[in-house]
Amino acid sequence: QKEVEQNSGPLSVPEGAIASLNCTYSDRGSQSFFWYRQYSGKSPELIMSIYSNGDKEDGRFTAQLNKASQYVSLLIRDSQPSDSATYLCAAAGGSARQLTFGSGTQLTVLP
Amino acid sequence: EAGVAQSPRYKIIEKRQSVAFWCNPISGHATLYWYQQILGQGPKLLIQFQNNGVVDDSQLPKDRFSAERLKGVDSTLKIQPAKLEDSAVYLCASSFNTGRVDTQYFGPGTRLTVL
Repeated sequence: QKEVEQNSGPLSVPEGAIASLNCTYSDRGSQSFFWYRQYSGKSPELIMSIYSNGDKEDGRFTAQLNKASQYVSLLIRDSQPSDSATYLCAAAGGSARQLTFGSGTQLTVLP
Repeated sequence: EAGVAQSPRYKIIEKRQSVAFWCNPISGHATLYWYQQILGQGPKLLIQFQNNGVVDDSQLPKDRFSAERLKGVDSTLKIQPAKLEDSAVYLCASSFNTGRVDTQYFGPGTRLTVL
């Protein structure tokens, strides 16, 4: 059974701070990892993908992957109230390239 | 570019009734997915199509759920008969098929309430 684990939160950070979201996965065959943001009542939207060990930066977002530890993280710098949402971590692998999602971490950025 | 379309957006039914959801993927996307997202949980894959063939339906409760994608474009997901635990948001997603793990684009979802 492939599993992706996330702290459900809620995680609260003040505006301008760094928010750190963490995720672990059980399937060592997972090759690709994704962070989706989901606003309340809306559908998930992709914000970052990462395939190789190390860091990947995109604007205020940095994804980090450590395959040896089976660990993925997302850092949000200069957090804004508009970043308040649930962040879903997903891992993909196997021939069908399917995504397994975690249960999400609810982030609140306080003005 | 138009996104993934789904209808209806909301549906309320009583248990043991049947319901159907419709999805039209992004034009040119060969792969279509149906997910179930229960409140407080991440999306769970129910079925994956590539063109009009089923790639994986291992998590589809086949005694009550069915799905089809007859012409390789739009798709329907049906529940018959519905149970209380089927209350969830049903998300449709689509992606290209480039041979890698492709970005999945989600539709707005259908929120189903079973009373």
